[in-house]
Amino acid sequence: QLQLQESGPGLVKPSETLSLTCTVSGGPISSSSYYWGWIRQPPGKGLEWIGSISYSGSTFYNPSLKSRVTMSVDTSTNQFSLKLSSVTAADTAVYFCARQHSSGYHDYWGQGTLVTVSS
Amino acid sequence: QSALTQPASVSGSPGQSITISCTGTSSDVGGYNYVSWYQQHPGKAPKLMIYEVNNRPSGVSIRFSGSKSGNTASLTISGLQAEDEGDYYCSSYTSSSTPLVFGGGTKLTVL
Repeated sequence: QLQLQESGPGLVKPSETLSLTCTVSGGPISSSSYYWGWIRQPPGKGLEWIGSISYSGSTFYNPSLKSRVTMSVDTSTNQFSLKLSSVTAADTAVYFCARQHSSGYHDYWGQGTLVTVSS
Repeated sequence: QSALTQPASVSGSPGQSITISCTGTSSDVGGYNYVSWYQQHPGKAPKLMIYEVNNRPSGVSIRFSGSKSGNTASLTISGLQAEDEGDYYCSSYTSSSTPLVFGGGTKLTVL
């Protein structure tokens, strides 16, 4: 059974960079059949797709966040990561990592991690 | 404002059937058979219920079904049960600048 687990600081100061890692267990991240995605959900609001990355490092970002987002993958540790720079209070959200199929659906999700942007 | 439009809320009594709509454009819902649906309970991660319009993942109840007509996709839940209560989101691949979009979500209440 594939499992995903997000990790990273729960509190980030405004203007700093949010950094999260997703650890994949129960299967290899180095599969050409899937992408690895990040989705966020502000408190009380809906889901927003942030972007995704392939095992080879090809990235696809939401244009609304593209200038601030960087994703990377490390097949040796079965992890992929998200960096979001210049954060503001509007970036406060639960951040989920998930396995993404080429047609866009996400079948395995992490439990999510709340990141609060505050001084 | 979300790219895909869903009703804010729907409700039904146990045993009844309900349908949640997801309206997009010819650039997303209408242009591809790549609509998916997710169920989310409070404090939990979304759970995939339907993928590629009308496919059910292993383990999802046959009471859940998906369809599409033109630019509108639908999720139907038959034989409503108390455990079905929660938030439901649709998602679609798109040919616009954003490859993937979600609907705003629908809160399902089982009366």
